[in-house]
Amino acid sequence: SQKIEQNSEALNIQEGKTATLTCNYTNYSPAYLQWYRQDPGRGPVFLLLIRENEKEKRKERLKVTFDTTLKQSLFHITASQPADSATYLCALDMSGGGFKTIFGAGTRLFVKA
Amino acid sequence: GAGVSQSPSNKVTEKGKDVELRCDPISGHTALYWYRQSLGQGLEFLIYFQGNSAPDKSGLPSDRFSAERTGGSVSTLTIQRTQQEDSAVYLCASSLATGANVLTFGAGSRLTVL
Repeated sequence: SQKIEQNSEALNIQEGKTATLTCNYTNYSPAYLQWYRQDPGRGPVFLLLIRENEKEKRKERLKVTFDTTLKQSLFHITASQPADSATYLCALDMSGGGFKTIFGAGTRLFVKA
Repeated sequence: GAGVSQSPSNKVTEKGKDVELRCDPISGHTALYWYRQSLGQGLEFLIYFQGNSAPDKSGLPSDRFSAERTGGSVSTLTIQRTQQEDSAVYLCASSLATGANVLTFGAGSRLTVL
């Protein structure tokens, strides 16, 4: 079955640097891949989506790439700020055309001032 | 409503008791999801409702867990004979189930089983 793997360890970076988070999946390529942000005590909030036929998507300081050959998505936060500190979750649909969505374990990001 | 509403926000119960968790999705959202998140862990898929189709229950961890969605709107997740390992945050999400299918989450129900 499809599985999602994210960096299990926390990522610590200095303010102003670029944070890069990795999401790998094991089986078929999903129709789209999503990234969510989760703050402590809250539900995840949608950030960005990239479709299988897209290589890159940008939104303000965020950039997502999607490599179906490597079965990998990279999530970048440029000019990181302490307010970017949160857990970032990768999500994808379980089967082409369906809407069942599974999530990775998430990567905790800490941005130091 | 404007967002996904979950209740109760916190529930403390004794081992062996039954609990019900409620989710009120965004009006018009045809898909509704339940996930479980243990402390420091990711989201574990539990169950998924889509329109009038039979729900996908493949993530329910045991037959003590059940969920229903009445009238295509409000959903209730029931845990019978609760165990300490059931302690977690239970998150509900809804979506339009079209195109990119962005999920909108509630704040979650934190369950503590003593």
